[in-house]
Amino acid sequence: AQKVTQAQTEISVVEKEDVTLDCVYETRDTTYYLFWYKQPPSGELVFLIRRNSFDEQNEISGRYSWNFQKSTSSFNFTITASQVVDSAVYFCALTSDSGTYKYIFGTGTRLKVLA
Amino acid sequence: DVKVTQSSRYLVKRTGEKVFLECVQDMDHENMFWYRQDPGLGLRLIYFSYDVKMKEKGDIPEGYSVSREKKERFSLILESASTNQTSMYLCASSLHSQELNTEAFFGQGTRLTVV
Repeated sequence: AQKVTQAQTEISVVEKEDVTLDCVYETRDTTYYLFWYKQPPSGELVFLIRRNSFDEQNEISGRYSWNFQKSTSSFNFTITASQVVDSAVYFCALTSDSGTYKYIFGTGTRLKVLA
Repeated sequence: DVKVTQSSRYLVKRTGEKVFLECVQDMDHENMFWYRQDPGLGLRLIYFSYDVKMKEKGDIPEGYSVSREKKERFSLILESASTNQTSMYLCASSLHSQELNTEAFFGQGTRLTVV
């Protein structure tokens, strides 16, 4: 069975602090993809990044970075020097061979960045 | 830019009414999805469609049906609305039916209240 766990329900940080959002996944498939989405207050989920199961390189994009570790089945997301505009709900998602084309989402982490 | 448009941002319906939620995408995507978002439960898949007239049940299809008569349009139908269907409904689409690595694009969501 496929599953994505985001254990952090809500995180509050002060602006300029670094924050890491955790994502742990379960799948028996060898081929799978992991995604992160951001849902700002407007409601529309915005795609942030995709990572496949054969690529464990970390990725950095500006203040955002992602750490993929197959050994711990985790795909964590770090925001460096957080800003108020980063306040949103963040979702981690998984697609895999046996899940066909369905996206399995975690329950999301609400990030509040305080000025 | 890919655009997924949901017909309403907010809807209020009475118990027992038949409710139609419409979703249109403009990028010739094969896959379309309906999710329901509730606090603490994340996004749960109701139905998805991988082609015109093709549909598959997701994790919580009870009380819902769908229709996909044209590639660009995917409708969610609440046959007889109940108060426990009060929720945020999100439509999404993705490019290919048999590829895992394409991200999903989301509409802005419809917040449905059943009274």
